[in-house]
Amino acid sequence: ETGVTQTPRHLVMGMTNKKSLKCEQHLGHNAMYWYKQSAKKPLELMFVYSLEERVENNSVPSRFSPECPNSSHLFLHLHTLQPEDSALYLCASSYSSPGGERGEKLFFGSGTQLSVL
Amino acid sequence: GENVEQHPSTLSVQEGDSAVIKCTYSDSASNYFPWYKQELGKRPQLIIDIRSNVGEKKDQRIAVTLNKTAKHFSLHITETQPEDSAVYFCAARQLTFGSGTQLTVLP
Repeated sequence: ETGVTQTPRHLVMGMTNKKSLKCEQHLGHNAMYWYKQSAKKPLELMFVYSLEERVENNSVPSRFSPECPNSSHLFLHLHTLQPEDSALYLCASSYSSPGGERGEKLFFGSGTQLSVL
Repeated sequence: GENVEQHPSTLSVQEGDSAVIKCTYSDSASNYFPWYKQELGKRPQLIIDIRSNVGEKKDQRIAVTLNKTAKHFSLHITETQPEDSAVYFCAARQLTFGSGTQLTVLP
């Protein structure tokens, strides 16, 4: 256990559904991240939150909506997804914002395996 | 933006041999280069990292080298063991990851 917990572990949803992924970290970190991991592709950074403020968004479609109410919790709200959005969604946390000098080691959660039908 | 290329995509070695995985990056401003290991069905875990102010770092059987001028860095695993079999990812900071290398250590 790395101190980063994601729920649910598995999610199957239709294209018209609305669901949310949850991530919680107990490590005292000040940055949290959402990554998408598809088969045969690199890990793709979706969102970064540092000190609860979004600092980077790599042109992710608006059907993905992040929320970070505090430094320990991160959500990814999903709506009207497409089948190509099926993937493993990984949450991670670290001590510093991107480019910071203090300990940038990422601690990952176990991920949510999402299937969009 | 940053671009990270990783080679090879698959690598098979005999137990006890060495394995080398190479990555190149494009943004000369990148200053932190971690390597993650992901076993099948598990989360990625950091195995070693290096900052741009050093050229090499070692941790037991694992080492990373960095050439800032050429903008490439490499992971070296010596005396490989079957439990080293996994997918290895390089990254530039936490922002851009390589495509991964499937390492298989044959007993």
